[in-house]
Amino acid sequence: DIQMTQSPSTLSASVGDRVTITCRASQSISSWLAWYQQKPGKAPKLLIYKASSLESGVPSRFSGSGSGTEFTLTISSLQPDDFATYYCQQYNSYSSSLTFGGGTKVEIK
Amino acid sequence: QVQLQESGPGLVKPSETLSLTCAVSGYSISSGYYWGWIRQPPGKGLEWIGSIYHSGSTYYNPSLKSRVTISVDTSKNQFSLKLSSVTAADTAVYYCARPLYSSSWYSLFDYWGQGTLVTVSS
Repeated sequence: DIQMTQSPSTLSASVGDRVTITCRASQSISSWLAWYQQKPGKAPKLLIYKASSLESGVPSRFSGSGSGTEFTLTISSLQPDDFATYYCQQYNSYSSSLTFGGGTKVEIK
Repeated sequence: QVQLQESGPGLVKPSETLSLTCAVSGYSISSGYYWGWIRQPPGKGLEWIGSIYHSGSTYYNPSLKSRVTISVDTSKNQFSLKLSSVTAADTAVYYCARPLYSSSWYSLFDYWGQGTLVTVSS
């Protein structure tokens, strides 16, 4: 299985801050990576797919980059609605499973 | 608009079988997609359980494969999950979801149900 490691696990930030979350794959997954946002008691919401493609309706302050084994999710200017937990997910065809990162909780500083 | 709704018992005894159903509206399961189940233990991360095509073709997480069965009922436009020999470690919110890509099991998910909490306890 391909393991996905996110860092940090928790991040404290203020409104207006630029925030970067990292996701590392245990082997190359090309660009087959997605990012989700999850709020308490809710299902995950898709933000980014294929590492850098913005899902329809998602604000442009969210962006994704990377390929191979290292990926980042960036929020250019953190808004109150962005305080949530973020997960990455690989969906490489050579993997025997779909796997998620452990999550990064973005908290109010 | 595609909508998914999970249903099933909220409490299951240890060693018994967990059974959940996902009813799909706004889209015909027979039209395609590998429909998936994902779970999330309280306070923890997400784990893919498996996915099924309308033809019945399935893919399972190798770590759960020996205990999981996913089936589809196209006449009712729903698909189901059975997880056998459950323990407290199977306590989780269980989500059903539709992937973004229509013909691949290896996909991300863009439509999710609201999730249902299943507790394993005697």
